[in-house]
Formats: sequence, C-alpha cells, structure tokens
Amino acid sequence: EAQVTQNPRYLITVTGKKLTVTCSQNMNHEYMSWYRQDPGLGLRQIYYSMNVEVTDKGDVPEGYKVSRKEKRNFPLILESPSPNQTSLYFCASSLGLAGDNEQFFGPGTRLTVL
Amino acid sequence: GENVEQHPSTLSVQEGDSAVIKCTYSDSASNYFPWYKQELGKRPQLIIDIRSNVGEKKDQRIAVTLNKTAKHFSLHITETQPEDSAVYFCAPDNFNKFYFGSGTKLNVKP
Repeated sequence: EAQVTQNPRYLITVTGKKLTVTCSQNMNHEYMSWYRQDPGLGLRQIYYSMNVEVTDKGDVPEGYKVSRKEKRNFPLILESPSPNQTSLYFCASSLGLAGDNEQFFGPGTRLTVL
Repeated sequence: GENVEQHPSTLSVQEGDSAVIKCTYSDSASNYFPWYKQELGKRPQLIIDIRSNVGEKKDQRIAVTLNKTAKHFSLHITETQPEDSAVYFCAPDNFNKFYFGSGTKLNVKP
C-alpha cells in the first residue's frame, strides 16, 4: 500500500531533550516536506527536500533540523525542544522534483513539550 | 514569503446548497493551486488542484476557478452533503515552497 508513515504518533517530552520524528514514504517520491499545524494558523512549512542530500528551509525552520540521506526517509530533529514547539506535525511527499504536485500526508505526530 | 488569505474562516450551509471558498495570494510567480480537505482528527488530503495555464477545473461536485490576474482562486462545492463538513485549505506553491491558508471550516447541516 502506497503511504507515508510517521513515528511516533504521540510524544510527550521535556524542554531540552533531543528528539527525532521519523518519516518514510514508499512511493519513490522526490519531494518531501515537514509541516506544523497550530490552531488558527493552518499548516506552516518547516523544511522541504527536493532530492537526496538537498534540503531547504520553509517558512518556520528555527529550532528544527532535517536530513535526507535516503530517498524514502526524511527525519525531523529537534535538538533542544521548547514548549513553543508543542504542535501537530505532518510529513508529506510528492512526485516530481518541484513542489507542483499532489502532496500525500502522513498521519501526523502530536508533540507536547513540557 | 507568500501572503495567503482564505475567506470565509467559517461557513455554514444547508445540505444541498452550494459553498464557495476564496483564496487570495500575493506572489504572481505561483503556478500550482491546490485545495486540501482535512476531516476532524485526520490528515489533509488533496481534493482538487489547478495549474496556471487553466482557468477552471471540475470533478463531479467540486470545481476550482483561477484568476491569475487578480491573484485569487476559489473552491466551489455544489449539492453539499454532511460528509463535506471539514476544514478546507488552499496552498499555492511559491518556488517549491507551500504557504497554506489558515483554513475554512465548512459545516453542512442536514
């Protein structure tokens, strides 16, 4: 089944404790992206990647890191989480080198930073 | 970055009525204009999209119209049904980035 998976789905952590949210897709998509969703603000793009070893900042990259060592995986890293990073996070992927194609979203990761 | 605005923020219609949601954007370089639907507790899913060389696109009860000159595009849902109740987001592209609107909560009353 073609899909985007994220792990974990729920995470409660404390300020400053490094964490990684994994994202994997099995559709051989070139483009992958991370978003955070906060009430009243829609989805905001954190980072995106157009290919292996090619990543770029989205609208709200501060406090986050990403890597794209393999085509299928695009982990999101929070080196020192803070309470303002409490949010719902979505990973997405799409076919093609540019972003002008349908994005397929993962199920989401609800992160709480205490 | 791109400035994207959606209107209205909430919309309540009677089952069978039509619904229209408008999205305005600021960057004339945008070329891809999708609409996503997000049901409560679920992930966003694409329902329709349009590219800049097309003015209108239809898929059964859903249509999207684009006015590149005025920099806006609209989602049209006809014969609304209770299962259309959700939050709808526009997300025009901007040099490989996406800027989502803040969403429109559509409530279809049976």
